[in-house]
Amino acid sequence: QVQLQQSGPGLVKPSQTLSVTCAISGDSVSSNSVAWNWIRQSPSRGLEWLGRTYYRSKWYNDYAVSVKGRMTINPDTSKNQYSLQLNSVTPEDTAVYYCARDGGYSGYDWDYWGQGTLVTVSS
Amino acid sequence: QSALTQPPSASGSPGQSVTMSCTGTSSDVGGYHYVSWYQQHPGKAPKLLIYEVTKRPSGVPDRFSASKSGNTASLTVSGLQTEDEAEYFCCSYAGNVNWVFGGGTKLTVL
Repeated sequence: QVQLQQSGPGLVKPSQTLSVTCAISGDSVSSNSVAWNWIRQSPSRGLEWLGRTYYRSKWYNDYAVSVKGRMTINPDTSKNQYSLQLNSVTPEDTAVYYCARDGGYSGYDWDYWGQGTLVTVSS
Repeated sequence: QSALTQPPSASGSPGQSVTMSCTGTSSDVGGYHYVSWYQQHPGKAPKLLIYEVTKRPSGVPDRFSASKSGNTASLTVSGLQTEDEAEYFCCSYAGNVNWVFGGGTKLTVL
């Protein structure tokens, strides 16, 4: 059974960097058949896909246009986890951040999710 | 404002059926066979209910079914149960490694 356990600070100051980590059990961040995603949810923006990392003989990252240039996803094979870093945050980045796996079925949907991390951007 | 349009609310009595819609465009719902549906209870992560328009992951009851016609996808919950009370989100692949979501429909079981 795949489980995703998230961790990270709940409060970040404007202009600083938001970081959330997703620890994977029951699967591998280096799997050749799935990808590891970040999705956020806020009352103002709803659900929003942010990006993903995946391994297919080498590492690939994809990012949503809305966060490209500000967001980095890093896999950590030694700890079987991956992390999200979002730079130069504003109050608009306040949201619940979820990690999620795709590829268990079609690769265009997410079958396992983390518990969510509420991140508030405020001074 | 979400890219896909869902009615904000729906309701039904136990045992009844409810259908909720998800309207997009030819660039997302109408253009790809990758519509998925998620159920979300308050304070919980979304749960995959439907993938590739009509398919149910293992463990999802067959009371949940879905379809698509043109730019509109639909989710039907049959034989409503109290535990079905939740918010339901649709999602569509929109090309160029991009996904769009609906704003969600809150289902109330009366």
